Amino acid sequence: QVQLKESGPGLVQPSQTLSLTCTVSGFSLTSNSVHWVRQPPGKGLEWVGAIWSGGSTDYNSALKSRLSISRDTSKSQVFLKMNSLQTEDTAIYFCTRSGLRGWGQGVMVTVSS
Amino acid sequence: DVVMTQTPVSLSLAIGQPASISCKSSQSLVHSDGKTYLSWILQRPGQSPKRLIYLVSKLDSGVPDRFSGSGSETEFTLKISRVEAEDLGVYYCWQATHFPHTFGSGTKLEIK
Repeated sequence: QVQLKESGPGLVQPSQTLSLTCTVSGFSLTSNSVHWVRQPPGKGLEWVGAIWSGGSTDYNSALKSRLSISRDTSKSQVFLKMNSLQTEDTAIYFCTRSGLRGWGQGVMVTVSS
Repeated sequence: DVVMTQTPVSLSLAIGQPASISCKSSQSLVHSDGKTYLSWILQRPGQSPKRLIYLVSKLDSGVPDRFSGSGSETEFTLKISRVEAEDLGVYYCWQATHFPHTFGSGTKLEIK
């Protein structure tokens, strides 16, 4: 059974760095990509970036300078790091499998002092 | 970036009525490999999104056949032949042909 679960801090101070973890089960990271998608409160979905089965990455052009996605295949985990956080980064962050065919429950991240 | 324009913004339909949602892209979504990476995603209230359709018209496992997808190049349509109560939520189109991948702004389906 395919499962994805996001974890991380619920509150981050402005200008600080956000670190999120997506722990997956039921599929291999070496044969599937994992995408991050975020959703500000009351708004639509925004593609953040992805790490591909071979380990390469692609990012939303608006976030690219602040964003890093990596993984630990031995632990079936994918990591998102975003620095210089602003209030506009407040959102639910979802991780999702190749082609968006399986989603985690999401983690709410609030950027506030 | 490819802009995905969805219409209408919202729909209010009675159970049993048909629904149609349009998604237009600012560039052709035909990939160099010949495939068109256009998907439809449904987010029910309070839930995580769920993919319904991929590669324009292929239904995901478990998706009722009252849903259908069509289109090509820059114009795509999601249709529901007869709306049911469980279909309420926000529908998004998503393109994965070009980087960065982008979503439409969403269409909210309400049940009368």
